[in-house]
Amino acid sequence: EVQLVESGGGLVQPGRSMKLSCAASGFTFSSFPMAWVRQAPTKGLEWVATISTSGGNTYYRDSVKGRFTISRDNAKSTLHLQMNSLRSEDTATYYCTRAPPIRYWGQGVMVTVSS
Amino acid sequence: DIQLTQSPSSMSASLGDRVSLTCQSSQGIGNYLSWYQHKPGKPPKPMIYYATNLADGVPSRFSGSRSGSDYSLTISSLESEDTAIYYCLQYDEYPSTFGSGTKLEIK
Repeated sequence: EVQLVESGGGLVQPGRSMKLSCAASGFTFSSFPMAWVRQAPTKGLEWVATISTSGGNTYYRDSVKGRFTISRDNAKSTLHLQMNSLRSEDTATYYCTRAPPIRYWGQGVMVTVSS
Repeated sequence: DIQLTQSPSSMSASLGDRVSLTCQSSQGIGNYLSWYQHKPGKPPKPMIYYATNLADGVPSRFSGSRSGSDYSLTISSLESEDTAIYYCLQYDEYPSTFGSGTKLEIK
């Protein structure tokens, strides 16, 4: 059974950093691109970033370029999202997903950016 | 960036009705479109991949179709459990983009 379990969320002040992690199991992690998707309160779904199987290629939405870094550790079957210079508009539930297309989703982790 | 326009933004229908939700792409994406059902407090549930392929465990009353740059998710006979927000996603090119969603309610 495929499982994606996020961790690392919580409350953080604007301008600070936070790192999300996603532990994957039930499939050969190194064989699949992975992605983060978020949903701000009362808003729709928003793709954030994708990383290739080796980690050599990464893609970001414009609003997080230069601030967020997606990475992966294939030996540990773990996906990460390093978020720097956080803004209030980054407040959202962040989902770890296996993509594309997105067949599997984690349960999500809440990130609140507020002073 | 590719824009996906979903219509209607919300709708209500009766149990047993045939319902179609539409997602229009601003440029060609081939069949690289999927549909998701999202209920409060849960992660989105995959419904359709590659425009027409039913995801595992999805009831056969759901189907996906394509006509040019217009994509549809159809429910042949609406059931109460189908109440949700439905999103389309294109994964033909980066940045991937979601539509703004269609909120489906039961009358």
